[in-house]
Amino acid sequence: DTGVSQDPRHKITKRGQNVTFRCDPISEHNRLYWYRQTLGQGPEFLTYFQNEAQLEKSRLLSDRFSAERPKGSFSTLEIQRTEQGDSAMYLCASSALRTYEQYFGPGTRLTVT
Amino acid sequence: AQKITQTQPGMFVQEKEAVTLDCTYDTSDPSYGLFWYKQPSSGEMIFLIYQGSYDQQNATEGRYSLNFQKARKSANLVISASQLGDSAMYFCAMREALDRGGKLIFGQGTELSVKP
Repeated sequence: DTGVSQDPRHKITKRGQNVTFRCDPISEHNRLYWYRQTLGQGPEFLTYFQNEAQLEKSRLLSDRFSAERPKGSFSTLEIQRTEQGDSAMYLCASSALRTYEQYFGPGTRLTVT
Repeated sequence: AQKITQTQPGMFVQEKEAVTLDCTYDTSDPSYGLFWYKQPSSGEMIFLIYQGSYDQQNATEGRYSLNFQKARKSANLVISASQLGDSAMYFCAMREALDRGGKLIFGQGTELSVKP
């Protein structure tokens, strides 16, 4: 396994459109995290899964955002009715249950025009 | 509330010299972890070094060392013998206790520029 992968790497969309991002974690990593990073800022936590259960969601995750992790494998993050303020880098990370390190994917850079 | 503070928006260092990037944190949780990540312009987050709150000794990884001062709640990163490839954004992060989810809380970052 070569690490966490994310698809697409870049996405340009028009305001009001829906977008979906995918994250494939390292095999057998129980935990999967989504973070958002806007320009000039550090990443901010959005949500995390332990296996298929979504255990925590940040207040940043408005009703337009939804995340899933069916069968505890890959995860998707969907943004409905995108706004210009959604433009950011969306980072996914995974970790094993009892280890400290989170391995990050390359990120999906979203631009909303 | 848990918080990470990086007070240096930008730093310059001469190639082959050492540099210290500052990080202070705030938490009331006795169990936590502290990380440093490097983010080049490509955007990927590269893990550099980790320090657990119960670790007695400062962490070291090659040219990176973490100066952990628990009483002062600081976790500064020291890069020895800087290289041109070290130019990047550096983020300090604190991890919640694993049994509470283990999410990371990041600072604002420090942009390091290494001069030839």
